[in-house]
Amino acid sequence: EVQLLESGGGLVQPGGSLRLSCAASGFTFSSYAMSWVRQAPGKGLEWVSGISGSGGSTYYADSVKGRFTISRDNSKNTLYLQMSSLRAEDTAVYYCAKERGVGAPLDDAFDIWGQGTMVTVSS
Amino acid sequence: DIVMTQSPDSLAVSLGERATINCKSSQSVLYSSSNKNYLAWYQQKPGQPPELLIYWASTRESGVPDRFSGSGSGTDFTLTISSLQAEDVAVYYCQQYYGTPPTFGQGTKVEIK
Repeated sequence: EVQLLESGGGLVQPGGSLRLSCAASGFTFSSYAMSWVRQAPGKGLEWVSGISGSGGSTYYADSVKGRFTISRDNSKNTLYLQMSSLRAEDTAVYYCAKERGVGAPLDDAFDIWGQGTMVTVSS
Repeated sequence: DIVMTQSPDSLAVSLGERATINCKSSQSVLYSSSNKNYLAWYQQKPGQPPELLIYWASTRESGVPDRFSGSGSGTDFTLTISSLQAEDVAVYYCQQYYGTPPTFGQGTKVEIK
């Protein structure tokens, strides 16, 4: 069964850091680009960051550029999001999502989503 | 960034009736060389992650009931639920993957009348 399982969320103070993980199973992880998508409480979906299958190419939303770093360890089938200089507006459920096809990054829909991990930035 | 605008924000439909959701992009998401529209539709039920329904604007994802269909091209798209079922109560999002960053519509909440 194809599955994504996020972890690492929690309560953090403004200015703090947090690292999210997403463990993948049931597919050839290294073949697929992956992304993080977030959803603030009661709000819509916002793409945050993406990475190619090899990890050689990374992409960021302007809202997190310079503060968040996406990476992956294909030997561990795991995707990461290192978040620093966190702000109240980063409070959201963070989903990892797999692209449907094996083409170039960010040129396909997201066919598999994890259950999400909640990040709360508050003093 | 490509802005995606959905209408309406919410709609209430009787069981068995048709539900129609519109999505408009601020620029074309049709890639001319492949003649593909880089447009997807997702369903999100309360407390759950989004689920892919439609990609390339009109291709139904495996396992999605055939009462869900997508249409449109260029900048104007539609998701149709031909006969609304109780389990279709959810928020529906369109998303473009033509440009970077990928962007989503604001969502349309579908309820039972």
